[in-house]
Amino acid sequence: ILNVEQSPQSLHVQEGDSTNFTCSFPSSNFYALHWYRWETAKSPEALFVMTLNGDEKKKGRISATLNTKEGYSYLYIKGSQPEDSATYLCAFKNYGGSQGNLIFGKGTKLSVKP
Amino acid sequence: EPEVTQTPSHQVTQMGQEVILRCVPISNHLYFYWYRQILGQKVEFLVSFYNNEISEKSEIFDDQFSVERPDGSNFTLKIRSTKLEDSAMYFCASSEATGNFGPGTRLTVT
Repeated sequence: ILNVEQSPQSLHVQEGDSTNFTCSFPSSNFYALHWYRWETAKSPEALFVMTLNGDEKKKGRISATLNTKEGYSYLYIKGSQPEDSATYLCAFKNYGGSQGNLIFGKGTKLSVKP
Repeated sequence: EPEVTQTPSHQVTQMGQEVILRCVPISNHLYFYWYRQILGQKVEFLVSFYNNEISEKSEIFDDQFSVERPDGSNFTLKIRSTKLEDSAMYFCASSEATGNFGPGTRLTVT
């Protein structure tokens, strides 16, 4: 069974701080890495899908990088705002057979204090 | 576009009662998950399920909880003896090439 690890589990920052967190995944047979943003009482919203080593994606103040050789992705938030408070989930997919499914991590909960 | 559905949308139950939360994943998906979110708190992973068995579970997922895929389409979460602290939004997800989440079931234990 493949595992996706996210760290830290939770993070508290002040408004205006920049922050980042990590998603680690198996590096073999990599296919894609997804990031989701999950606000309270809502279903998760897809942020990014990354497929190539070295990919960097950006959406407003949020960006993500991907290193498929070492098996990690970073999500960065520049100048955090209270509305960024949410759980950020990553999910990994590899090639092949019965394991070729999107496997979710447990998430990092970000709290931004005004 | 196919969606993950969950029923009921809101369940109210008395402490100590059993509840079953139902999810219909997307038909060709093979991985299934339950998460919960206590109001105002973080999202908590409960369990993942693959090939008709639990592949991973959290510390929260104790003997009070069980999951089942009774008929090849539904994916259920049973809570045997509910506690007040089980009140939360429960989200089901399924994945294959993409991941999809259901709209959630709000469980209120009184």
